[in-house]
Amino acid sequence: GAVVSQHPSRVICKSGTSVKIECRSLDFQATTMFWYRQFPKQSLMLMATSNEGSKATYEQGVEKDKFLINHASLTLSTLTVTSAHPEDSSFYICSATLALSNQPQHFGDGTRLSIL
Amino acid sequence: GQQLNQSPQSMFIQEGEDVSMNCTSSSIFNTWLWYKQDPGEGPVLLIALYKAGELTSNGRLTAQFGITRKDSFLNISASIPSDVGIYFCAGLGTNAGKSTFGDGTTLTVKP
Repeated sequence: GAVVSQHPSRVICKSGTSVKIECRSLDFQATTMFWYRQFPKQSLMLMATSNEGSKATYEQGVEKDKFLINHASLTLSTLTVTSAHPEDSSFYICSATLALSNQPQHFGDGTRLSIL
Repeated sequence: GQQLNQSPQSMFIQEGEDVSMNCTSSSIFNTWLWYKQDPGEGPVLLIALYKAGELTSNGRLTAQFGITRKDSFLNISASIPSDVGIYFCAGLGTNAGKSTFGDGTTLTVKP
C-alpha cells in the first residue's frame, strides 16, 4: 500500500528555534499533501493544503508566516515552524494523496514537537 | 462547509464484544473512508468505500457506504485489546483528495 514517511518523529527544542518537518511519499507521486495539527484526545485539525509547485492554501486562523510550507517535488513537502514557542507544542501529521476524485489520503506517523 | 457527525465519541467495551460506530452528514460524499489511529502515530486507512450501498470487510472489520451517500458505519466483531485506538471516518466529495474528517471515536477494550 501507499507509504508516507514523516521525519523527525520527535523534536524537543528551545523557544525561538525554527523546526523543519519533512513529509515524503515513498511509493507514489503525491500531487497534494496536507498538514494537520492534533491536540491530545482531539481530532485532526487541517492547517494547510500543499500542491506541488504552487503556494500552499492555509485554513482560516493558521498563520502562513509562522508555518511555512514548501512542496517542491511530487514526493516531498516540508513544514517549518518558525520561531517556535511553547504554545506551538503539538502533534503534527502530514498526509499525501494523488488528488484524483476518489483517492484516499495516506498519513505519515506524525511528529511530536515539544518547545521548552 | 461539509461536516461529519461521528458517534459515539467514546466506547468502553469488554474483550470479545462487537462494536459499531457511524458517521452522518448533511452532504453527499462520493467516497467514504475509515481510519484507525494508534497512540502517538498517524492514522492508518482501514477500509475505503466507493459505491452507495457497498459493504466491505477487512478481517473482523465491516463497513458500509449508505444508500443515501450521506452516512457510513463501521463494525468490529469480537474485539481484542489491540483494537484500542481512535477511529476516524472521512468523506471525499468533489474537492479531489481533500477529505472531511469526523471527530473520531475513542475505543477502549477491557481484557
